[in-house]
Amino acid sequence: RKEVEQDPGPFNVPEGATVAFNCTYSNSASQSFFWYRQDCRKEPKLLMSVYSSGNEDGRFTAQLNRASQYISLLIRDSKLSDSATYLCVVGMRGTGRRALTFGSGTRLQVQP
Amino acid sequence: DVKVTQSSRYLVKRTGEKVFLECVQDMDHENMFWYRQDPGLGLRLIYFSYDVKMKEKGDIPEGYSVSREKKERFSLILESASTNQTSMYLCASSLGTGVEETQYFGPGTRLLVL
Repeated sequence: RKEVEQDPGPFNVPEGATVAFNCTYSNSASQSFFWYRQDCRKEPKLLMSVYSSGNEDGRFTAQLNRASQYISLLIRDSKLSDSATYLCVVGMRGTGRRALTFGSGTRLQVQP
Repeated sequence: DVKVTQSSRYLVKRTGEKVFLECVQDMDHENMFWYRQDPGLGLRLIYFSYDVKMKEKGDIPEGYSVSREKKERFSLILESASTNQTSMYLCASSLGTGVEETQYFGPGTRLLVL
């Protein structure tokens, strides 16, 4: 079983739609959580951190459910520019400096 | 802005060649990482370094080695390239030691081993 699992998609949605991605992680010792965004043929970049209380950044909302070990990302009012692959990323307690484990990503395609 | 650069965007090598991939960051970050990214597998950690001359194995170190002689530079070495090392290689750096630290990535090197 992968440590971090995501639905690969693609999610094809029209502009203006609301779309949600989920991610599950297997290690209950995980202590930090992120969503990274990767555009086609580009490097990953941090989209947002995910906090236990949930957090919002404009049209993006991230939630963490520790009991069920899943993380979600909600995108409201989708824009064409949101088309990208979204990587769920988890930091494990006890791994020292090695830090992060990446999911394989969920691809989003926003259509006009 | 943090800048992470990689020596080549595209590289074609032959089986058995020794390959050097260079990564440089300009923000005095302590930690540097090498990943490979393959379809369906996501990013997998090859090696990382948290200080000059220090290195630690990641999840898939076999067939690779690294060198960190200066804080800003982290090199990945394929001692004898094989076709299964054809991949996208991404270098990253982060400021500190916590798992909450943001990693900043270079643009990647697409390596094709023939």
